[in-house]
Amino acid sequence: AQSVTQPDIHITVSEGASLELRCNYSYGATPYLFWYVQSPGQGLQLLLKYFSGDTLVQGIKGFEAEFKRSQSSFNLRKPSVHWSDAAEYFCAVGTGNQFYFGTGTSLTVIP
Amino acid sequence: DTEVTQTPKHLVMGMTNKKSLKCEQHMGHRAMYWYKQKAKKPPELMFVYSYEKLSINESVPSRFSPECPNSSLLNLHLHALQPEDSALYLCASSQDHRPKDYEQYFGPGTRLTVT
Repeated sequence: AQSVTQPDIHITVSEGASLELRCNYSYGATPYLFWYVQSPGQGLQLLLKYFSGDTLVQGIKGFEAEFKRSQSSFNLRKPSVHWSDAAEYFCAVGTGNQFYFGTGTSLTVIP
Repeated sequence: DTEVTQTPKHLVMGMTNKKSLKCEQHMGHRAMYWYKQKAKKPPELMFVYSYEKLSINESVPSRFSPECPNSSLLNLHLHALQPEDSALYLCASSQDHRPKDYEQYFGPGTRLTVT
């Protein structure tokens, strides 16, 4: 079955520390991959996307993600987290005529 | 303009009421989406309109009725809702409804409470 997995339901990091959020997918072909962020009570904002080409993609707000075909992963990273990064993060996959969200990772940032 | 707007921001309605949610985009996008999101959960796709035609209905109960009057507007008509329909309703749009165009722009949502 096709799926998008975010293994970490909740992550807590200290402000200034590095961050990595995990995302794994299971599809036959290389899908189109996205990371979205959602602040409490708000809509979703696209952080970055991967369609093809360079496997390391840069996004907004200092985020980057790396596509690893061998691991079917698309992990999101940030070298230094800011308090304003506290939010819910969703990995998403587009394939065929379907679009799937992962279950989300809630990020808490402590001062 | 990369904005998707939704009105109202909040809506409280009784189970016998009829109300509508509205969504608007002026990015020239030809695909528009309705999602339902419960707290601490990912958005669940409800409907997809592509070129103003309903292309996907994810087995949504008939008490939810979508409408796409033109390429910029998307409505969701609500009637005889249940308390479990209380959620954040998100509208989104994308260039087209094809995988390479799946970069979706989301509105801020309408927080719906059914009493």
